[in-house]
Order: sequence, then structure tokens, then C-alpha cells
Amino acid sequence: DAGVTQSPTHLIKTRGQQVTLRCSPKSGHDTVSWYQQALGQGPQFIFQYYEEEERQRGNFPDRFSGHQFPNYSSELNVNALLLGDSALYLCASSRDETQYFGPGTRLLVL
Amino acid sequence: AQTVTQSQPEMSVQEAETVTLSCTYDTSESDYYLFWYKQPPSRQMILVIRQEAYKQQNATENRFSVNFQKAAKSFSLKISDSQLGDAAMYFCAYRRRTGNQFYFGTGTSLTVIP
Repeated sequence: DAGVTQSPTHLIKTRGQQVTLRCSPKSGHDTVSWYQQALGQGPQFIFQYYEEEERQRGNFPDRFSGHQFPNYSSELNVNALLLGDSALYLCASSRDETQYFGPGTRLLVL
Repeated sequence: AQTVTQSQPEMSVQEAETVTLSCTYDTSESDYYLFWYKQPPSRQMILVIRQEAYKQQNATENRFSVNFQKAAKSFSLKISDSQLGDAAMYFCAYRRRTGNQFYFGTGTSLTVIP
């Protein structure tokens, strides 16, 4: 049984560019959450998707958007990248109160 | 707003010994979940243990156990018979029963000394 998978593993972009990160949830999970983890910090909640709708959003600007597909996979899009967007982006899937995390995508913005 | 505090940025333990990692949280809710996650250098966050606030009995998973003190809003993790593979960053997390968002602490880096 595959766990949560994310792609790509690493990404380098320049300021002002746009990026799309992808996540496939654990089998049987219908909810996907995205987190941003800055170096040396705990993950910060970006948003959560359920039934292809954004169900809850953290304190992130509209430059951060997402999508969930009918197969429950999800994308995180970040527009107009800033240097401060450099971080590890974690996807977590769930079907109840416990979230299971993927390995993350390391984004570096130059 | 919910906050989670881990006051020990770094901890170390001798192999085979016991170590306790501290976590406190702030909430006005009475029903919620608490979690400990482990993040090794490979960076994948792994669930260690989960506690439901309405259950008074402390959760246990093999060598991992918690001391949940609801009134004190404290949720510490005890690792017994520490192993080299336990070396990692440990995060405490909180979730309201009716909410979707996880709130994480800043983590405790655990070193296991052979």
C-alpha cells in the first residue's frame, strides 16, 4: 500500500515565477492538506481540500492556491514567487482525524 | 488561537536510556486531539502516537508513551529503551475535534548517543 507521494522532490525557481507541486494521497484517503515548513520551524497549515473544494485555509495569501481532482490527488500552486517562499512543502492525507505526511517538496526561490 | 509550545529545542539521550520530550498547548476547547510526529533527516513526517482529549488513559505505542495532563495542557512524550533510529526532530501537534487544521510546535531535535 503506497503512502502519500509528492512530486517533484526538489525544485529551484526564480522570484516572480510560478510553481505547481503535486500530491497523491494514501489509498482510501479523501482529504488532502498542504503545509509549509520553513527551515528550523514546524509546519504551517496552508489549506485543506475535501470533495474537490477548499475546506479550510490558513494565514497564507491568495498567491497560494490549490486544486483537488476526482481521484483525490491534489496540486498546490504558488504564483509570483518570493524569496520567503523557499521552504519544504508537505502534503498530508487523511480520512479521519489523523494526517499522514508525504516526503515533501523542497522549493528554493532565487 | 491555538498554540503549541515545545520548550526544548534539543535533547540528547544515551542509547537504551529513557528520555521525555515536553509539549504544552493553549486552547479553550474541551475536545481535541494531540499527536507526536517524528521527522528524521530524510524529512518524511511519521506519526508516533495519538491521544484523544476525552480519554483519560495515556496512549502507548510500544516504546513510546505519553503523559497527558489535560488540566495543565501538557502532553509529553516518553521514549523508553532509546535506539539510534529514534534520532530525529519530534513535533507535537494539536487539532480541534471539529476542526481540520493541525497546529505544530517548533520541534525538539533528539540525538541518541551510542
